[in-house]
Amino acid sequence: GENVEQHPSTLSVQEGDSAVIKCTYSDSASNYFPWYKQELGKRPQLIIDIRSNVGEKKDQRIAVTLNKTAKHFSLHITETQPEDSAVYFCAAKGREYGKLTFGQGTILTVHP
Amino acid sequence: NAGVTQTPKFQVLKTGQSMTLQCAQDMNHNSMYWYRQDPGMGLRLIYYSASEGTTDKGEVPNGYNVSRLNKREFSLRLESAAPSQTSVYFCASSVLSSGGTDTQYFGPGTRLTVL
Repeated sequence: GENVEQHPSTLSVQEGDSAVIKCTYSDSASNYFPWYKQELGKRPQLIIDIRSNVGEKKDQRIAVTLNKTAKHFSLHITETQPEDSAVYFCAAKGREYGKLTFGQGTILTVHP
Repeated sequence: NAGVTQTPKFQVLKTGQSMTLQCAQDMNHNSMYWYRQDPGMGLRLIYYSASEGTTDKGEVPNGYNVSRLNKREFSLRLESAAPSQTSVYFCASSVLSSGGTDTQYFGPGTRLTVL
């Protein structure tokens, strides 16, 4: 089955800096890659996603890039703010219908 | 719309007790999922139901059973709870879009402790 590795496990930045989280996946047939943000004690919520036929997607301060050849994708957050502090999960949808495989998560802390 | 709802929010069980976690969605989604979340391990799929009337095992199904009661409801049952099942349980639902995306929407979670 699909295997997703996520790095780093923790990331600490100063407010205004950029943050980058990287994920690799194993199944070359994977075609959908969402990113979820989970605040403490809350449910995971989708913040951005990308399909395999697109190389990059942006939404204000958030962007995701996908390299199908290398089988990795990354989340980029620019001009970070304290409210960006949360756990971020990447995921990949592989061959089996609807099933997402999640990375282990990255704890992002943005210091004021 | 309430989205995805789960009951209960918190539960404490003794080893060997049984319980059922309830999940319902009002978004007319076809697919529903149960995950468990443990520290440092992300979200792991327990069972899923691609459509009403079907269920399939995920990554960690041992010790659990599920029922897709109708299109709206998907329950998770622990027949004989064990301390290793202490976790936060999330239900999710999704519908495959014409563009091929399959966004999953999560419920608020159930925090289960097994003593």
